[in-house]
Amino acid sequence: EVQLVESGGGLVHPGGSLRLSCAVSGFTVTNNYMSWVRQAPGKGLEWVSLIYSVGSPHYTDSVKGRFTISRDNTKNTLYLQMNSLRAEDTAIYYCALYDWGLPHWGQGALVTVSS
Amino acid sequence: EIVLTQSPGTLSLSPGERATLSCRASQTVGSNYLAWYQQTPGQAPRLLVFGASTRATGIPDRFSGSGSGTDFTLTISRLEPEDFAVYYCQQFGSAPFTFGPGTKVDIK
Repeated sequence: EVQLVESGGGLVHPGGSLRLSCAVSGFTVTNNYMSWVRQAPGKGLEWVSLIYSVGSPHYTDSVKGRFTISRDNTKNTLYLQMNSLRAEDTAIYYCALYDWGLPHWGQGALVTVSS
Repeated sequence: EIVLTQSPGTLSLSPGERATLSCRASQTVGSNYLAWYQQTPGQAPRLLVFGASTRATGIPDRFSGSGSGTDFTLTISRLEPEDFAVYYCQQFGSAPFTFGPGTKVDIK
């Protein structure tokens, strides 16, 4: 069974930083897309960032220059480094793995940006 | 970037009725990589359908997906009380992997 477990969420002040991790088990991550998706309180799902094994990652406009996605295939882990956090970044962050046509999601990590 | 539009925004129905949800893409979704998710309050999204028409593991057969290209449909044949939720479509045929704004199915 494929499992994705996010960690690293929490409360941070505006302007601060957090690093999310997503550990994958039951699947060997190599040539697969992986992404971060977030959901602000009371809002819909929003894709945040996407990475493949090669090529440039993608970012939604609101996080460009502040967030960095990376992956370590040897550890089967996806990361999201979030800098210069803003109140509007408050959300549950989900990681997702795309096994070609079949997506797998984690249960999410809550990030709260507040003073 | 492919923009997904879902309609209607809200669908008010009674238990036992049939629900038909639409997801329209601004461009052709490659390989029909279109998924449908269900989300209830406080829960993570639950995968219902992938590849436009393949039910995910454990999903009841009252849920069915159809469509190809730019027009997709999720049908719930007979609504059960636990089906009243928000439904999202997502395409991952071309980067970035975008979502529709959701359709809320509530009790009439």
